[in-house]
Amino acid sequence: AQKITQTQPGMFVQEKEAVTLDCTYDTSDQSYGLFWYKQPSSGEMIFLIYQGSYDEQNATEGRYSLNFQKARKSANLVISASQLGDSAMYFCAMREGTGNQFYFGTGTSLTVIP
Amino acid sequence: DTGVSQDPRHKITKRGQNVTFRCDPISEHNRLYWYRQTLGQGPEFLTYFQNEAQLEKSRLLSDRFSAERPKGSFSTLEIQRTEQGDSAMYLCASSRGLAGGFSYNEQFFGPGTRLTVL
Repeated sequence: AQKITQTQPGMFVQEKEAVTLDCTYDTSDQSYGLFWYKQPSSGEMIFLIYQGSYDEQNATEGRYSLNFQKARKSANLVISASQLGDSAMYFCAMREGTGNQFYFGTGTSLTVIP
Repeated sequence: DTGVSQDPRHKITKRGQNVTFRCDPISEHNRLYWYRQTLGQGPEFLTYFQNEAQLEKSRLLSDRFSAERPKGSFSTLEIQRTEQGDSAMYLCASSRGLAGGFSYNEQFFGPGTRLTVL
């Protein structure tokens, strides 16, 4: 089974609107971390936001927030007030327990329309 | 700039040749990771070092692949007898391992080395 599933290969959003990128995960560990990365066309992976499995509050970092629903095993990324520079690939990732391996999803390509 | 750097950024080689990539992590980071990313996919874990010790290897890392981190600083990834299926972006990441407890251990990625095997 896939550890991380991203079901939206591509998404479009109007500039200044909010967009939600979906991510579901699969683990039997009680302790895990969930991450979102942005990968522009230049190729570099940029860390956006982190959510720990024991965190009671949803993580927020500026315009990024993570909608964490533990029972549903989902960790959706919400980008508010989209900007043209947000156009990129977005990857959800998970680290289980104290392990060091990150499991990445297949990504969602986001295009912001002016 | 004190981010993760990788060299070269692009490499084109003929099938059967050996190639070597270098990664320089962020200086205070003791953990270093190699990933492979093919078109349309997310990064796939290859191997992990803590200081100079290689602690985890994916089954993706065939015997044609070898990675080293001799002094716990920079790392090299060598692919011997390259095959067309090795064409991919090879990403390096580093993180600071925090002592005790569970840490989120954010990984900082380099720009990658894009390998094309003809």
